[in-house]
Amino acid sequence: GENVEQHPSTLSVQEGDSAVIKCTYSDSASNYFPWYKQELGKRPQLIIDIRSNVGEKKDQRIAVTLNKTAKHFSLHITETQPEDSAVYFCAASKGSASKIIFGSGTRLSIRP
Amino acid sequence: NAGVTQTPKFQVLKTGQSMTLQCAQDMNHEYMSWYRQDPGMGLRLIHYSVGAGITDQGEVPNGYNVSRSTTEDFPLRLLSAAPSQTSVYFCASSYSRTGGLYTEAFFGQGTRLTVV
Repeated sequence: GENVEQHPSTLSVQEGDSAVIKCTYSDSASNYFPWYKQELGKRPQLIIDIRSNVGEKKDQRIAVTLNKTAKHFSLHITETQPEDSAVYFCAASKGSASKIIFGSGTRLSIRP
Repeated sequence: NAGVTQTPKFQVLKTGQSMTLQCAQDMNHEYMSWYRQDPGMGLRLIHYSVGAGITDQGEVPNGYNVSRSTTEDFPLRLLSAAPSQTSVYFCASSYSRTGGLYTEAFFGQGTRLTVV
């Protein structure tokens, strides 16, 4: 079955700097790659997603890139702010009749 | 529009007891799933359903049962609770649009379960 690996497990960056989180997946049939943010004590919420027919997607300070050949995708956060501190999860899925598998999460801390 | 509702929010069980975690969604979503979240382990899929009457196992199904008799409800049953099942449990739902592509998964607020 699908396996999603996520790195790093923890990441600390200076406020204003960029943060990058990387994920790899094992099943080449996966076609949907969402990213979720989970603040302390709260539920995960979608922040951005990408489908296999595009290589990059941006939403303000957040961008995701996908390399289907290498089977990896990355989350990029620019101009980090204190409110970006949270746990971030990547995930992969093969579509409507398939499960969504999550990575192990990255705890991002923004230093003032 | 309540979204995904889980009950209870907190629960303490004794080893060997059984219980059912409830999950209901009012968005007419086809896909529903249960995850457990343990420190450093991320969100691990327990069971999932792609529609009423259809369920399948995820990554860590042992010790749990599910059923999907209606589109709205997807209860998770712990058959005989063990300390290893101490975790935070999340229910999630989403729908599949024409063409087989998922949209956003919406999570419930979670159930913190402790087995002593």
